[in-house]
Amino acid sequence: QKEVEQDPGPLSVPEGAIVSLNCTYSNSAFQYFMWYRQYSRKGPELLMYTYSSGNKEDGRFTAQVDKSSKYISLFIRDSQPSDSATYLCAMSRVNAGGTSYGKLTFGQGTILTVHP
Amino acid sequence: GAVVSQHPSWVICKSGTSVKIECRSLDFQATTMFWYRQFPKQSLMLMATSNEGSKATYEQGVEKDKFLINHASLTLSTLTVTSAHPEDSSFYICSARDEGGRPYNEQFFGPGTRLTVL
Repeated sequence: QKEVEQDPGPLSVPEGAIVSLNCTYSNSAFQYFMWYRQYSRKGPELLMYTYSSGNKEDGRFTAQVDKSSKYISLFIRDSQPSDSATYLCAMSRVNAGGTSYGKLTFGQGTILTVHP
Repeated sequence: GAVVSQHPSWVICKSGTSVKIECRSLDFQATTMFWYRQFPKQSLMLMATSNEGSKATYEQGVEKDKFLINHASLTLSTLTVTSAHPEDSSFYICSARDEGGRPYNEQFFGPGTRLTVL
């Protein structure tokens, strides 16, 4: 069983729709939860990160973490064609000092297409 | 945000040759860099952690003699794929960790290098 599971999609939505992306994980030691966006043939770029449980909002993006269920989500409101990309969740543990441990464990990525 | 570059962006080589990929942090210093590989429509798999001035730490199943990593300065790490074979063809991505003293030490990713071994 993979440590992080993510539905690869693909997911196709009309412009303006609300998009919900999800990941589940099995390692309870994960404390930092990240969402990356990756365009074709490019490196990932960080969208948001969350520490422990809770919600975080940044513009049209909202990240949610439910540690009790080992489930994280990313919501995209008013989706735009420019949001079309692969979305990767990633997670890390913390070291003894409480800072994020370097190693990231990624989900498989969900391919999202927003059509006009 | 901080910028990480990779060179070359793509390379085609013959089986049996060695290929070197450079990863540079352009506007910050990184004592730690990471090397990933990504197969088509699959996720990033960590290959190794590159530490400035010391030996790299390889993930289980990654051959350290085949994937040589050197982190000679705070802004440069190199990955050399030795005696490359077609199964080594992949997208190699590096990241550099900005250890700015914040709790979350964000990793910035390079644009990737596509390696094709004929």
